[in-house]
Amino acid sequence: QVQLQESGPGLVKASETLSLICNVSGYAISSGYWWAWIRQAPGKGLEWIRSIYHSGSTYYNAPFKSRATMSVDTSKNQFSLKLSSVTAADTAVYYCARETYGKVEYWGQGTLVTVSS
Amino acid sequence: QSALTQPPSASGSPGQSVTISCTGTSSDVGAYNYVSWYQQHPGKAPKLIIYEVSERPSGVPDRFSGSKSGNTASLTVSGLQAEDEADYHCSSYAGTNNLIFGGGTKLAVL
Repeated sequence: QVQLQESGPGLVKASETLSLICNVSGYAISSGYWWAWIRQAPGKGLEWIRSIYHSGSTYYNAPFKSRATMSVDTSKNQFSLKLSSVTAADTAVYYCARETYGKVEYWGQGTLVTVSS
Repeated sequence: QSALTQPPSASGSPGQSVTISCTGTSSDVGAYNYVSWYQQHPGKAPKLIIYEVSERPSGVPDRFSGSKSGNTASLTVSGLQAEDEADYHCSSYAGTNNLIFGGGTKLAVL
């Protein structure tokens, strides 16, 4: 069974960089599929941020083009997200997930990141 | 790309059927048969219940069905049960490097 688990600081100061890691078990990232970060602000809908393939190829949601970067470490079977210059608007539950053509089949449990001033 | 449009709320009584719409454009919902639906209970991660417009993952009851006409996709929940009360989100692949979600619909079982 594919399982994903997010980890990282729950509190980040405004203007700093949010860093999250997703550990994957039950499936080797190097075997395929796209791996994504999706967030949900309190009381709001889901928002896709960026996706990465095991080769390192990525694609992104335009609003995050310059702020969000992803990397993958196949030896640790994990991938990561860095979101720079955060503001209060970046306060959200961040989910890591496995997706293909928009079908997000596996999700992590989510981690709440609060941006403080 | 703008978010897909969903009604903020929907409701039905136990045993009834309810349909939730998801409207996009000819660049996303209308262009691809890659519409998915997710069920999300409070404090939980979303769960995939429909993919590729009308396909159900293993274990999802056949009370959940999906369809699409033009730029609008729909999720129908038949034989409503108390445990169906949740938020429902739609998503669509939108071509080169794009995944779009709807704003979500809160379904109440009265």
